[in-house]
Amino acid sequence: GNSVTQMEGPVTLSEEAFLTINCTYTATGYPSLFWYVQYPGEGLQLLLKATKADDKGSNKGFEATYRKETTSFHLEKGSVQVSDSAVYFCALSEYGNKLVFGAGTILRVKS
Amino acid sequence: NAGVTQTPKFQVLKTGQSMTLQCAQDMNHEYMSWYRQDPGMGLRLIHYSVGAGITDQGEVPNGYNVSRSTTEDFPLRLLSAAPSQTSVYFCASSTGTSVAGELFFGEGSRLTVL
Repeated sequence: GNSVTQMEGPVTLSEEAFLTINCTYTATGYPSLFWYVQYPGEGLQLLLKATKADDKGSNKGFEATYRKETTSFHLEKGSVQVSDSAVYFCALSEYGNKLVFGAGTILRVKS
Repeated sequence: NAGVTQTPKFQVLKTGQSMTLQCAQDMNHEYMSWYRQDPGMGLRLIHYSVGAGITDQGEVPNGYNVSRSTTEDFPLRLLSAAPSQTSVYFCASSTGTSVAGELFFGEGSRLTVL
């Protein structure tokens, strides 16, 4: 079946550091790929998405590129802020809105 | 701008008790779903609905019932609570059904079963 694997956390960075959170997936077809973010005490929010190979999703300084050859969708940000501290979830969908989520990666940014 | 509203936010049950988690959305979304979030396991789909009167099972449906009598509401019923159902439950909705759109999540309901 479909699955998503994320790097284990927590990831702890200093403010203005470069962020990479790795995400790889297994799917039988050509899924859409997503990154969702969950701030403390809140529900998940869509951060960015990509629907086909080589697409780059971007939002709020975060970006991720859909790499079909490596089945990856790694999340990057050039300079993190304390306000980026949250849990980040990689997810895929092969059909409709039935998303399969990864386990989540906790990001902690220190000032 | 309410979005997706879940109640209650916190609940403690004893094994064998039943309860209903409520979910309502005011965005006229056709698609609604329930997920449970457990440490180290991400979110897993329990049940979903693509419109009023239509429901289907997700990855982990056992022990849960749903119904969709209106577009706005999608309650999740626990028939006989078990400690394994201790979790945080999220309701989510979206426009469209056949193409993946943005899921809008409620703030979650934390359930503890003793």
